[in-house]
Amino acid sequence: QVQLQESGPGLVKPSQTLSLTCTVSGGSISSGSYYWSWIRQPAGKGLEWIGRIYTSGSTNYNPSLKSRVTISVDTSKNQFSLKLSSVTAADTAVYYCARDVELLMTTVTFDYYYYYMDVWGKGTTVTVSS
Amino acid sequence: DIQMTQSPSSLSASVGDRVTITCRASQSISSYLNWYQQKPGKAPKLLIYAASSLQSGVPSRFSGSGSGSDFTLTISSLQPEDFATYYCQQSYSTLGTFGPGTKVDIK
Repeated sequence: QVQLQESGPGLVKPSQTLSLTCTVSGGSISSGSYYWSWIRQPAGKGLEWIGRIYTSGSTNYNPSLKSRVTISVDTSKNQFSLKLSSVTAADTAVYYCARDVELLMTTVTFDYYYYYMDVWGKGTTVTVSS
Repeated sequence: DIQMTQSPSSLSASVGDRVTITCRASQSISSYLNWYQQKPGKAPKLLIYAASSLQSGVPSRFSGSGSGSDFTLTISSLQPEDFATYYCQQSYSTLGTFGPGTKVDIK
């Protein structure tokens, strides 16, 4: 079964760029109808969707982070990555990667595309501090 | 942006209780609603997608209902392993907003 594992520095200095990688094992990142997403969670708080990428390279980002976020994919390594620039203490959080399923449901009149995150990494804590 | 709210923010319940959590969207999202369970120190786990479809491997005591802007997650008979925080998430828009969460703890 597919598993995801986040990796990257646990400590980043303010104004620098946070870089994380998610390695997909147990299946090809290119197979199936999946997006690959990043989500974060500050300590004691809720979940914030950061963005996602399709293996074609198509991306969607949270507008509140869009100017600072880049998500990329390396199909040869079965990995996708997150870069968040100009970080501040507010970016301190647990960062999760997840597989985002694109499910097509057809009816007589319409086709519906549903999206949901069915496989998650364990998360990695990133602290922004000097 | 679509805003998601949940109620209650927390609740205390006993094993065997029927528990209902409500999620409301700031606009109609049809049935583009997912539910996740998160335990302390762990990643979220998908329970329900498309408002009422049970994810494979999830116990049948979990169920979801609703469409439009009002949704419900029901646990028919609360088990010890169900004490956790539950999040709804809309997938109607590309920005997949999560609700603030509902913490279920032991009474």
